[in-house]
Order: sequence, then structure tokens, then C-alpha cells
Amino acid sequence: EVQLVESGGGSVHPGSSLRLSCEGSGFVFSAYDINWVRQRPGKGLEWVSAFGSAGDTYYADFVKGRFTVSRENVKDSVYLQMTNLGLGDTAVYYCAARYGSGSPEPLDYWGQGTLVTVSS
Amino acid sequence: QSALTQPASVSGSPGQSITISCTETNSDIGHFNYVSWYQQHPGKGPKLIIYAVSNRPSGVSNRFSGSKSGNTASLTISGLQAEDEADYYCSSYTSSTTAFGTGTKVSVL
Repeated sequence: EVQLVESGGGSVHPGSSLRLSCEGSGFVFSAYDINWVRQRPGKGLEWVSAFGSAGDTYYADFVKGRFTVSRENVKDSVYLQMTNLGLGDTAVYYCAARYGSGSPEPLDYWGQGTLVTVSS
Repeated sequence: QSALTQPASVSGSPGQSITISCTETNSDIGHFNYVSWYQQHPGKGPKLIIYAVSNRPSGVSNRFSGSKSGNTASLTISGLQAEDEADYYCSSYTSSTTAFGTGTKVSVL
């Protein structure tokens, strides 16, 4: 069974840092691009970042310079280091896997999400 | 980055068919050939139901179908069932980034 499990969410104050983890199982993790997608309360899906199977990284403009994505294939895991968090970063963060064929592919697998709450 | 606009809500009675539109308001139409649709039930992660405009992943009901005309993609749900009540998002993607639509809440009356 394919699974993606996020962890590391929690409640923090503005300006704080947090590291999210995404662990995969049931598929060839190293062959997939792992994306982070967030959903703010009552809002839609918003793409955040990706770590490609080829080692490339991508970020949405609103997180550039604040978030860093990394990967450990030996642990079938991808991480999202978030710094200088603001109130607008409050969201459920999902990781999602896209087959890394080098061609446009959909997000095949999704986790259940981890909640990040930024409040003063 | 594409801007994808969907109706906020669509409703229908059990057994009916409904269609959700997704209009690209960006001139980057080339990426719109890779349109996917995701279903999200409350408190759950999204699930892929259509990819590359009109293809269904294994295990997805054939009541879901997709199409595209010009800069508008559409998701049709036939034979509407109570379990179809959820939020639906279109998405366009390249090999490096993904844009999501504004989302549509489907209600089964």
C-alpha cells in the first residue's frame, strides 16, 4: 500500500522555525519528485515547493529565502525547513508525489497532512 | 504561473450529471495540456481523479470524465452519488511547478 506520512507540524510564534518531514512507503520513493502543498484554513490548495528525483529543487515565490527542501532517499524522506514563519503560513501542509519522468506528471500520491499554526 | 478559475459551488441531485469548469486566465496555454483534477473530502488529503485532461487513474470510477476546449477544462460527474460530495480542484503542471484552481464545492441535494 502506498503511503505518504507527514509529521512535524505544531503551534509556533511568528518568526519561529519548524521542520516538516514526509516519509513514503509502498513505492519507489527515489523515482518520484516530492512536492509540498499547503491549504490555509478554509482556502484552496497552494503549491509550495518540490524536490525532484534528479536532485533539483523548486519554490513558490512566497517562500523563497524562507523555506528549504531537502531529501534523504535512504530514509525515503523529504523535509521542509521553514524559517521566519508568519501568520499567513498557518495551514495544513501536505506532501505529494509525482513520478519523476522529466515530463509533466500529475501528483499521484498524497499524505493526510500536518497542521502548522502560527500565532502570537 | 497560471491562474485557474473555477465556480465556487455546483450542486445536483443523486443520479444527475454535473460539470465543473476550470478556465485558465494566463496566456501560458501550453501548460494547460497537462490538466489534472483532484477530489478532497473534508479533513482528508486530495486524491487524483483525472490526469492529462481526460485520463483516469486505475481504481477511479468511470463516472468521472474530463475534457478541454480552448482555455477551459471541464470535469463531469455522471450518476451523482452522495459520496461525490467534496471539494474539487483542477491543476495545471509542468515538470517543475504546479498551479491549482480556486476549487469547487460539490453538493449532492
